[in-house]
Amino acid sequence: DIVMTQTPLSSVVTLGQPASISCKTRQSLVHSDGNTYLSWLQQRPGQPPRLLIYKISNHFSGVPDRFSGSGAGTDFTLKISRVEAEDVGVYYCMQATHFPYTFGRGTKLEIK
Amino acid sequence: EVQLVESGGGLVQPGGSLRLSCAASGFTFSSYWLHWVRQVPGKGLLWVSRINDDGSSTTYADSVKGRFTVSRDNAKNTLYLQMNSLRAEDTAVYYCARWSDYYGGMDVWGQGTTVTVSS
Repeated sequence: DIVMTQTPLSSVVTLGQPASISCKTRQSLVHSDGNTYLSWLQQRPGQPPRLLIYKISNHFSGVPDRFSGSGAGTDFTLKISRVEAEDVGVYYCMQATHFPYTFGRGTKLEIK
Repeated sequence: EVQLVESGGGLVQPGGSLRLSCAASGFTFSSYWLHWVRQVPGKGLLWVSRINDDGSSTTYADSVKGRFTVSRDNAKNTLYLQMNSLRAEDTAVYYCARWSDYYGGMDVWGQGTTVTVSS
């Protein structure tokens, strides 16, 4: 199985400051069809996961521009340019290139 | 409104069975592949199973293979997960999720249903 190494596992950020989450794998996530199926999901407290970013860097509908994804191959990053109160929750990277699909352990984002 | 609503969770004894349902609305159900993902309370996400659009192809995580069966009824816009030989480690919230070929990701998630395996 593809292990998604996500860091940090927790982050306390001051309102308005940036936040960054890393997700790394040992195996490339480039699919044979040329796409890289690396997504970022947000899970607010008591809520189901929600798609934020798909295929590394694409914003899902309704996701604020302060969220951005980047990376390639085995190394990926989610950045929040200015953290807002509603961003509190757990963030997961997920790969859907190789079966079984796997998730990172999650990064808990708290506001200072 | 595009929606997935899970049901069927509950308390079951080890070795028992349970069938989860996921009712879809607001989109053409038969056009989408669907997944089950579970989450132990306070823990991370684990992919469980997937089924293609017409139900002819299924895939499972090793941890549930041979015990769980995913199916769908496109006439009823409903996804199912039959869970047999349940173990304590199957205790989790079970989510159904829609796979979007356009986005290359799981773009719609249900609210989840809780399964507790305990004597």
